[in-house]
Parts: sequence; structure tokens; C-alpha cells
Amino acid sequence: ETGVTQSPTHLIKTRGQQVTLRCSSQSGHNTVSWYQQALGQGPQFIFQYYREEENGRGNFPPRFSGLQFPNYSSELNVNALELDDSALYLCASSPKAADYGYTFGSGTRLTVV
Amino acid sequence: RKEVEQDPGPFNVPEGATVAFNCTYSNSASQSFFWYRQDCRKEPKLLMSVYSSGNEDGRFTAQLNRASQYISLLIRDSKLSDSATYLCVVTMDSSYKLIFGSGTRLLVRP
Repeated sequence: ETGVTQSPTHLIKTRGQQVTLRCSSQSGHNTVSWYQQALGQGPQFIFQYYREEENGRGNFPPRFSGLQFPNYSSELNVNALELDDSALYLCASSPKAADYGYTFGSGTRLTVV
Repeated sequence: RKEVEQDPGPFNVPEGATVAFNCTYSNSASQSFFWYRQDCRKEPKLLMSVYSSGNEDGRFTAQLNRASQYISLLIRDSKLSDSATYLCVVTMDSSYKLIFGSGTRLLVRP
């Protein structure tokens, strides 16, 4: 059974650019959530996808958007990058929505310069 | 006020010590409670769920006090491998998101 995989592991972007982060959910999991973890802070919920639909959103601006594909993998897109977007982006999958049996991926570390 | 508050530490303890972490949450409607462990530059991993009756898993004991909106984690006989950041997590009724505290850092020294 494969776990949650994220790509890339590290990324450096310039302010104003756009970025796409990818996540493959654990086998058998149909729900994917994305979290942002700034240095020294706990992860903050961005949004969740269930069966290709957004199933809830945290306090993040519209320039944070996502997709879920039929195979339950997911993308997080961030437009017009700001310096404060520098963080570890974590993807977590669960067997179904509102199931707290989350498995986290190892994250993508984004640096905006 | 943050939804989940934790003492950031670090707690620096010798091997074999007993250490306790506390966490408070602001919303009385919070329904589920967890402790996660996060190693440096790694992803969070579920350590244990927390129940009102209290629960124990080996050297780890978690307690929940709903009246005081307070959660605790006790680690007995600390090991070097326990060095990590411990994240207190709550959820809301019918919600799907995990609400994390900022974490408490534990350093266990030889």
C-alpha cells in the first residue's frame, strides 16, 4: 500500500509567479486536504476535495485554488505568489470526507523570493 | 485569540524524565481531539486520539477536560527518540478540517 506522495519536494519561485503542487493520495482514499505550514506554526487548512468537488475551504484568498482528478490525485495552484506564501505545503488523504484517519504526505517546501 | 493554544517550549529534559504538555482550545463546540507528532522537516503523524475518559498508549497518556477546554499529553520515561514537536489538534462538529496548535517542541538529552 503506497502512502501519500507529493511533488516536487522543494521549489523556489519569484514573487508574482504561479506554482502548481501535486499530490497522489493513498490507495483507497477518495478525499484530499491541503494545509499550509509556515515556519514555527502549525498547519493551516486550505481546502479539501472529495469526489472532484471542493468540500470546504479555510481562510485563504481565491488565488489559492485546487483540483481533484478521477484517480483522486490533486493539485494545489497558487497565483501571484507573495513572500508570505513561503511555507511547507502538506497534502493529506483520508478514506472519506469527515474521516479523521488522515495520512499526510511529506510536503512541498516552497520558497518565494 | 487562537483557536488552539500551546506552550511553544522548548522543553529540554533528560532521558527517563516525565514531561507534560498542555493545550487549550477556544471553541466549546469542538468535538474530536488528537495529538500529532512532527519530526524536524517532516510531515505530522497521528500520535493518539484524546477521549474524555483519558487514554493511554504505552508511555503516553492523554487527557481531555471539556469543562476547562483543556487537553494534556504526558510522556513517561522519555527517550531520545521522543524529541520532536507535539501538535495539539481539534475538530469541529460536522467539520472536515483539522485545527492545529503551533506545537510544543521537546528535546530529550542523554
